[in-house]
Amino acid sequence: GIQVEQSPPDLILQEGANSTLRCNFSDSVNNLQWFHQNPWGQLINLFYIPSGTKQNGRLSATTVATERYSLLYISSSQTTDSGVYFCAVAYSSASKIIFGSGTRLSIRP
Amino acid sequence: NAGVTQTPKFQVLKTGQSMTLQCAQDMNHNSMYWYRQDPGMGLRLIYYSASEGTTDKGEVPNGYNVSRLNKREFSLRLESAAPSQTSVYFCASSMTGGIGYTFGSGTRLTVV
Repeated sequence: GIQVEQSPPDLILQEGANSTLRCNFSDSVNNLQWFHQNPWGQLINLFYIPSGTKQNGRLSATTVATERYSLLYISSSQTTDSGVYFCAVAYSSASKIIFGSGTRLSIRP
Repeated sequence: NAGVTQTPKFQVLKTGQSMTLQCAQDMNHNSMYWYRQDPGMGLRLIYYSASEGTTDKGEVPNGYNVSRLNKREFSLRLESAAPSQTSVYFCASSMTGGIGYTFGSGTRLTVV
């Protein structure tokens, strides 16, 4: 099956810093999404981004499908950005969505 | 409120007991999913249902069964619970192709 690798596994930053999270995948995918799991366990869909670039406030994402990677950018980090960020890909079937192991982000005040 | 509703939120089972986790969505989504998340780990797909009337195995289906009761409801059954099934279980739904992916709040299951 497809391999989804996220880096770095852990990231600790001061409030106000910028960060880049990376997701590599080993095969062609039908779509790619980014999720945020907050410290209380709630999972929120950030981006549906099979290709190209999207922005939503301080967050933006870019997927280069031909090179099999996606990047999530967080600018001017806030403590509420803390949590785990997952990328998830769909392959073979657009409905079979597999998650990477996540990047745990801690923002210090 | 629109979204994905899971019940129960917490459950403790003894080894060998059976139970069914319930999931319902009111967003008219075609696809529904069950994941498990172990401590410090990512989410692993157990089963999914691309559309009403179909179900397929995910990454870790052993020890589980599912039923897509109708378009709204997708249940997960543990026939004989084992301690290795202690985990947090998440249900999710989406439009065809994964658009609008929405998670429930999770069920924390402990098997003793």
